[in-house]
Amino acid sequence: DAGITQSPRHKVTETGTPVTLRCHQTENHRYMYWYRQDPGHGLRLIHYSYGVKDTDKGEVSDGYSVSRSKTEDFLLTLESATSSQTSVYFCAISVASGTYNEQFFGPGTRLTVL
Amino acid sequence: GIQVEQSPPDLILQEGANSTLRCNFSDSVNNLQWFHQNPWGQLINLFYIPSGTKQNGRLSATTVATERYSLLYISSSQTTDSGVYFCAGIKAAGNKLTFGGGTRVLVKP
Repeated sequence: DAGITQSPRHKVTETGTPVTLRCHQTENHRYMYWYRQDPGHGLRLIHYSYGVKDTDKGEVSDGYSVSRSKTEDFLLTLESATSSQTSVYFCAISVASGTYNEQFFGPGTRLTVL
Repeated sequence: GIQVEQSPPDLILQEGANSTLRCNFSDSVNNLQWFHQNPWGQLINLFYIPSGTKQNGRLSATTVATERYSLLYISSSQTTDSGVYFCAGIKAAGNKLTFGGGTRVLVKP
């Protein structure tokens, strides 16, 4: 258990509404990540953070924004949700030391956009 | 970025059988991980194995970094081994994990 929680775990929302997903870690790791998982695509990186207020885009960042105001929290926001953003969202942290760099994943959030 | 290919895409096993899953990378990686996603969707870390061989119970993994592939061995499979197995790697000098498409394993009693 890498001390990662995600909230909410399930959410149903309507097209056009804003949605924020939260990832919380208990161990003060520097790197945090948001992925989405869709059938036929595996897991794809949306955004990641390498420190407080330091974030960067992944391969599928359009339509998403992130914020990290505290080390322990990484928020993913869908400003105006669309049906194509129906997915399972995973947060991850990276445990890194020297060349060692292993990622651990949270339990996931299932989001349905109607 | 790098491309990660996994084979086979699907595998049906009889309980007790052995199997080998393969992961090929298009470029050198300095981080390679194997995960098991169980039927409830949880991603479980199996191995962190940028090179060499590791074993954990009935599972073992081997990465040949110079040839850009990794193998996951499942021995004496059990129904609890069912799920999807993913490999993922980080390109040298990078920090973004790229996933393969997964191998879906079904172990029948």
